[in-house]
Amino acid sequence: DSGVTQTPKHLITATGQRVTLRCSPRSGDLSVYWYQQSLDQGLQFLIQYYNGEERAKGNILERFSAQQFPDLHSELNLSSLELGDSALYFCASSVVSGYEQYFGPGTRLTVT
Amino acid sequence: ELKVEQNPLFLSMQEGKNYTIYCNYSTTSDRLYWYRQDPGKSLESLFVLLSNGAVKQEGRLMASLDTKARLSTLHITAAVHDLSATYFCAVDMGGAQKLVFGQGTRLTINP
Repeated sequence: DSGVTQTPKHLITATGQRVTLRCSPRSGDLSVYWYQQSLDQGLQFLIQYYNGEERAKGNILERFSAQQFPDLHSELNLSSLELGDSALYFCASSVVSGYEQYFGPGTRLTVT
Repeated sequence: ELKVEQNPLFLSMQEGKNYTIYCNYSTTSDRLYWYRQDPGKSLESLFVLLSNGAVKQEGRLMASLDTKARLSTLHITAAVHDLSATYFCAVDMGGAQKLVFGQGTRLTINP
């Protein structure tokens, strides 16, 4: 157990819908990272927050957005969902940017 | 753009044998990570390699980093079935503060 928690574990929704994935980092970690894992794209970095501020952006679609709250938990919002958005979404945290990242259990999103 | 390539992508081996997984990356970085993933599970951190020539060992796994060759290896000694998993290397982009992952190597160890 890495200490990073994610909810929900599974999510099934229809195309066009909007969902919110939630992540709580390890106690004391200020940095949160979001990754997407799919069969065709592999593991891809989406976005990073550090102490409430966006720090780095990767291959994140405009339909996706994220934020980190004052209590350091983070949410990833996915809207206008498409079939291709079906994937495992991981959150990771680290004490500061650039240090070892610890991954949560992931949220499996299925878009039907 | 940083590219990280692993080979082989699939590896089936017998218990007791030795083998090496290779991870090449395309631009300068002095921080490399190895993760293990079991089917449907999260990523478990195995090794953090922070400098040229770094070597770390844990049980039957040993990882090394050659930053000049932009190459890391994960060596498996006397494999056992419990090591069956997918192994990923990931390179830290440094100032960009994101990990770029290789494709993963699916390792199957047969009795």
